[in-house]
Amino acid sequence: ETGVTQSPTHLIKTRGQQVTLRCSSQSGHNTVSWYQQALGQGPQFIFQYYREEENGRGNFPPRFSGLQFPNYSSELNVNALELDDSALYLCASSLGLAGAFNEQFFGPGTRLTVL
Amino acid sequence: GDSVTQMEGPVTLSEEAFLTINCTYTATGYPSLFWYVQYPGEGLQLLLKATKADDKGSNKGFEATYRKETTSFHLEKGSVQVSDSAVYFCAPSSGAGSYQLTFGKGTKLSVIP
Repeated sequence: ETGVTQSPTHLIKTRGQQVTLRCSSQSGHNTVSWYQQALGQGPQFIFQYYREEENGRGNFPPRFSGLQFPNYSSELNVNALELDDSALYLCASSLGLAGAFNEQFFGPGTRLTVL
Repeated sequence: GDSVTQMEGPVTLSEEAFLTINCTYTATGYPSLFWYVQYPGEGLQLLLKATKADDKGSNKGFEATYRKETTSFHLEKGSVQVSDSAVYFCAPSSGAGSYQLTFGKGTKLSVIP
């Protein structure tokens, strides 16, 4: 069974650019959540996708957007990058809506640096 | 919204010492409570969870009890090992349908031989 994978591992962009991060969920999982983890902080919830629809969003501006595909893989897009967007971006998948009985499994993350 | 207050680190302990990492939370409704661990160079892993008041989650010698009256979920281990060195995150899970995790800032634990 393959775990959650993310690509790329590292990425360097400049202010104003756009970036796309990718996540492959664990086999059979239909829910993907994205988190942003700034250096020295805990992860912050960006949004969640369930069966290709956005299902909950944290306190992030609209320039953070996402997609989930029929195979349940997912993309996180960030437009007009700002310096504060530099962080580790984590993807987590679960079988069904994440909750007490549906554990979220995390990928290794994508380290984004904005210069 | 939900919030978590977690014991500030870093915490340095000698091997076989007793560990407590305090965690208190505010959340809407009746959250489930989780502890996640992040080992050096690895992703987040679920350590233990509790879904209702007075439940005790346990795993790998770690324990935490869901205390609704004090809104706390303190992590404990009776005898830590060097291999327990990691960053520990407390996280309630709530939200209308999306069950998003709200993480604390994390507590870095270093265990020395």
